[in-house]
Amino acid sequence: DVLMTQTPVSLPVSLGGQVSISCRSSQSLVHSDGNTYLHWYLQKPGQSPQLLIYRVSNRFSGVPDRFSGSGSGTDFTLKISRVEPEDLGVYYCLQSTHFPLTFGSGTKLEIK
Amino acid sequence: EVQLQESGPGLVKPSQSLSLTCSVTGYSITSNYWGWIRKFPGNKMEWMGYISYSGSTSYNPSLKSRISITRDTSKNQFFLQLNSVTTEDTATYYCARYIRGYNSHYFDYWGQGVMVTVSS
Repeated sequence: DVLMTQTPVSLPVSLGGQVSISCRSSQSLVHSDGNTYLHWYLQKPGQSPQLLIYRVSNRFSGVPDRFSGSGSGTDFTLKISRVEPEDLGVYYCLQSTHFPLTFGSGTKLEIK
Repeated sequence: EVQLQESGPGLVKPSQSLSLTCSVTGYSITSNYWGWIRKFPGNKMEWMGYISYSGSTSYNPSLKSRISITRDTSKNQFFLQLNSVTTEDTATYYCARYIRGYNSHYFDYWGQGVMVTVSS
């Protein structure tokens, strides 16, 4: 299975600040079709996960442009600028290039 | 709007079977793929499997001998059965729509989740 390593585990942030979350895979996430199937989710307290970014850098419908994704191969980053209270929760990366699908271990964004 | 809702018992005894239902509204399960994901205490997430628009299934090999995903298209529901559960199957279980196609391959809509505890 592809191991997805997320860092940091916990990320204290000041409201209005900027943060980055890293997700590294144990093998390249470039699919045979040329796409890279690395996605980012946010699970807010008491809610189900919601899709933020799909295929590395594409914002899902309704996701503000404060969220941006980047990376390639095995190294990916989610950046959140101008952090708002509604951004708090646990962030996960998910790879769906390789079978079975695997998630990162999660990064908890909390107020400093 | 697509909505998913899990239902099922919140408590299952060890060695028994866990059975959950996902009811879908606003979209037909005869399109796209429909999956089950679980979140263990401590944040670890695991993809369990999915069923396709045609009824074919794919399972995480870690569960392959214990898991079954089926559906009832007349009710627009799909189901999870996990056999021979242990306390390690205690988790919150989510159903979700899986968009699978060129340029896709992600879960977009999720149910709110159902917490299942395995305990005698």
